[in-house]
Amino acid sequence: SQKIEQNSEALNIQEGKTATLTCNYTNYSPAYLQWYRQDPGRGPVFLLLIRENEKEKRKERLKVTFDTTLKQSLFHITASQPADSATYLCAPVASYNTDKLIFGTGTRLQVFP
Amino acid sequence: DVKVTQSSRYLVKRTGEKVFLECVQDMDHENMFWYRQDPGLGLRLIYFSYDVKMKEKGDIPEGYSVSREKKERFSLILESASTNQTSMYLCASSTTSGGAREQYFGPGTRLTVT
Repeated sequence: SQKIEQNSEALNIQEGKTATLTCNYTNYSPAYLQWYRQDPGRGPVFLLLIRENEKEKRKERLKVTFDTTLKQSLFHITASQPADSATYLCAPVASYNTDKLIFGTGTRLQVFP
Repeated sequence: DVKVTQSSRYLVKRTGEKVFLECVQDMDHENMFWYRQDPGLGLRLIYFSYDVKMKEKGDIPEGYSVSREKKERFSLILESASTNQTSMYLCASSTTSGGAREQYFGPGTRLTVT
């Protein structure tokens, strides 16, 4: 069955550095993959979508890559700020003919001053 | 702005009670979803609706049912609440048109079953 893996350990980085979060998927090839941000006690908020034919997508300080050979997506936050501290969820689409997503368990990012 | 609202932020129910969780979206989205989120398990899909009166089971539908009589409203029903249904429940909606198909989430309902 499809499996989505994100590093369950928290990522702690210093303000101003680049944070890199990893999402690996197995047993299938999603047509697109989304990234969400979730703050404690709140619902996830959509950040970016990347399609299988796109290598890289950018939005302000955010960058997502999608390597269909490695079955991996990387999520980067450049010039990180304490306000970026949150849990980030990777969510590939479940299959080609659906809008259902499969969510990873998320990686908690902590940016300290 | 898309708004997804859920009927309660916190709910405490007793074992065996029938529980209704309501979700309303205001953007005329076709798709609506119910998830539960537990520590270490992430977001798991309970049910999905792609149109009024249409539904599809998710990964963990056992013990739950849903109702979608109007496009903007999607209800999750716990027929007989059990302690293992204590969780955070999140509703989401999305459109079937356009590129991103991102899901818009409500604030969540933290349900405790005692």
